[in-house]
Amino acid sequence: DADVTQTPRNRITKTGKRIMLECSQTKGHDRMYWYRQDPGLGLRLIYYSFDVKDINKGEISDGYSVSRQAQAKFSLSLESAIPNQTALYFCATAPPVGSSGELFFGEGSRLTVL
Amino acid sequence: KQEVTQIPAALSVPEGENLVLNCSFTDSAIYNLQWFRQDPGKGLTSLLLIQSSQREQTSGRLNASLDKSSGRSTLYIAASQPGDSATYLCAVDNFNKFYFGSGTKLNVKP
Repeated sequence: DADVTQTPRNRITKTGKRIMLECSQTKGHDRMYWYRQDPGLGLRLIYYSFDVKDINKGEISDGYSVSRQAQAKFSLSLESAIPNQTALYFCATAPPVGSSGELFFGEGSRLTVL
Repeated sequence: KQEVTQIPAALSVPEGENLVLNCSFTDSAIYNLQWFRQDPGKGLTSLLLIQSSQREQTSGRLNASLDKSSGRSTLYIAASQPGDSATYLCAVDNFNKFYFGSGTKLNVKP
């Protein structure tokens, strides 16, 4: 099994629908991140969390919300999806600063909003 | 805000060539720098991690160097193969936030 698992892997939805992307990890890492990737724009940070009580906005948080249900689970929600949220979404985890700090990625969730 | 730039954006080379990919960053107060490989439509696979106190890391045909004071890192790929064709991204850890370059798309021709 993958260390960082994202579900669903692919999703097609319509404008205005609520969508949740889920991420779970077995690495025991405290730091968890959600990124979106668009062609030509690289990876942009949406939200990040250092524990269940610590949620932080990234550079493009508008239109998104997150929930850290447990150390191992970090979900991203689109309350009312719009077409420009069509992208490839990645969850990533990392151990605390002071350890290796290596970042690990899930396989990605491809979201299409019609 | 940290800015990460990768040059070139795309590179096409014949098989067997040695090549260098470049990554530069504006804020030298980093914890580490990581190089990733991404195949089309896939996730990111970690290749090499360099801690801020290190100068280089090697794995097989890959060698990554870091000059933190000048804000530069290079990824050297020796004896390139068609299977190396992918997009290569660098990321810097600014103590809890990771910033990515836009990547270099590498095509190794047989």
